[in-house]
Amino acid sequence: GAGVSQTPSNKVTEKGKYVELRCDPISGHTALYWYRQSLGQGPEFLIYFQGTGAADDSGLPNDRFFAVRPEGSVSTLKIQRTERGDSAVYLCASSTATGPRGEQYFGPGTRLTVT
Amino acid sequence: AQSVSQHNHHVILSEAASLELGCNYSYGGTVNLFWYVQYPGQHLQLLLKYFSGDPLVKGIKGFEAEFIKSKFSFNLRKPSVQWSDTAEYFCAVNIGNTGKLIFGQGTTLQVKP
Repeated sequence: GAGVSQTPSNKVTEKGKYVELRCDPISGHTALYWYRQSLGQGPEFLIYFQGTGAADDSGLPNDRFFAVRPEGSVSTLKIQRTERGDSAVYLCASSTATGPRGEQYFGPGTRLTVT
Repeated sequence: AQSVSQHNHHVILSEAASLELGCNYSYGGTVNLFWYVQYPGQHLQLLLKYFSGDPLVKGIKGFEAEFIKSKFSFNLRKPSVQWSDTAEYFCAVNIGNTGKLIFGQGTTLQVKP
């Protein structure tokens, strides 16, 4: 079946611009996660959705970052006033389970470059 | 804050050599432990996981890991690596009631044919 998909696969933007990154989870998966992976590092948690609501947004670095999941399926990560330090691969994962034991299926990521 | 440390950043082995990748975490309570693998050009995928019970867990492709609570460790092992095991390996822990994962910085494994 179809896995987690993310669009665009690559995004180049200028410093100060606004960007949106999209995640389509596996159909039926209620939990959705966003992570950010900088070069040479492991993924870093950003936010977790259970259904439509953000259950844990403790990883969002500041108020320039915001994510939504209005219908409990597709999610969009929004970054305002981008900075060069935002350059990274943004990963999305989804899971069937509501708790910590659900296997997370990762998408291919969106590589964001801020020039 | 909770953290995960992977001791080896880059490992180079010949085929048939044995592998052990170290992973330590800092958290005194109950944890769930994972190893993920990312093959070149592919997505992150789960290799194996530990929740409770037998501390020696077996995963896909002949990998296993041992949870040693007293050492806060969850090392990954494989008796005989293959060229196809060339990949990046990430250790991760989960605590609390959500699925939030805390990852180590990763280990790049290069297996020479």
